[in-house]
Amino acid sequence: GAVVSQHPSWVICKSGTSVKIECRSLDFQATTMFWYRQFPKQSLMLMATSNEGSKATYEQGVEKDKFLINHASLTLSTLTVTSAHPEDSSFYICSAHDTAQSQHFGDGTRLSIL
Amino acid sequence: GDSVTQMEGPVTLSEEAFLTINCTYTATGYPSLFWYVQYPGEGLQLLLKATKADDKGSNKGFEATYRKETTSFHLEKGSVQVSDSAVYFCALSEGQAGTALIFGKGTTLSVSS
Repeated sequence: GAVVSQHPSWVICKSGTSVKIECRSLDFQATTMFWYRQFPKQSLMLMATSNEGSKATYEQGVEKDKFLINHASLTLSTLTVTSAHPEDSSFYICSAHDTAQSQHFGDGTRLSIL
Repeated sequence: GDSVTQMEGPVTLSEEAFLTINCTYTATGYPSLFWYVQYPGEGLQLLLKATKADDKGSNKGFEATYRKETTSFHLEKGSVQVSDSAVYFCALSEGQAGTALIFGKGTTLSVSS
């Protein structure tokens, strides 16, 4: 079945560091990927829609200069958290649609900023 | 805007008990409805879905029926197992296929032997 690989699964870094998270569709092409954020014991909130070859669409309240999204190919989208601070600590999850329009999720990235 | 409301957890059951997790939604159109499961430390997995009214989604003994009249999509399982312990999310997707999901807050299920 369709697989979405997200890397890294866990990262701990110092405040002020920029962190890049990769989301790959391994056996299908995805023109659209989504990035979600999940706070502890809360639901997933859509951050942005990543479109291959064009700019991402950000949800209200999400800083586009803080969370840089690049979707350079049909199988890869990256989320870069720039100058991360402790309040950016969270669980970030990507998803991608396959040709049957079923949405498949990565295993998520747990980001901890010290 | 569209929203999903789930029953608050945690839900604690003994093995082989009957499970119901309530989910209701608010949507302007005719959304597709989903249940996702998240096991500890893992990402989300699609459990089942329904794309139109009166459809029943089913998988691994879980079932949910799309009820337009009550705007509900309650998750049920006749006999839970310890391995079913996880967080369950109800979600909807409005409009054309391939749009983002709107999630409920999730319900934690804990099953003991």
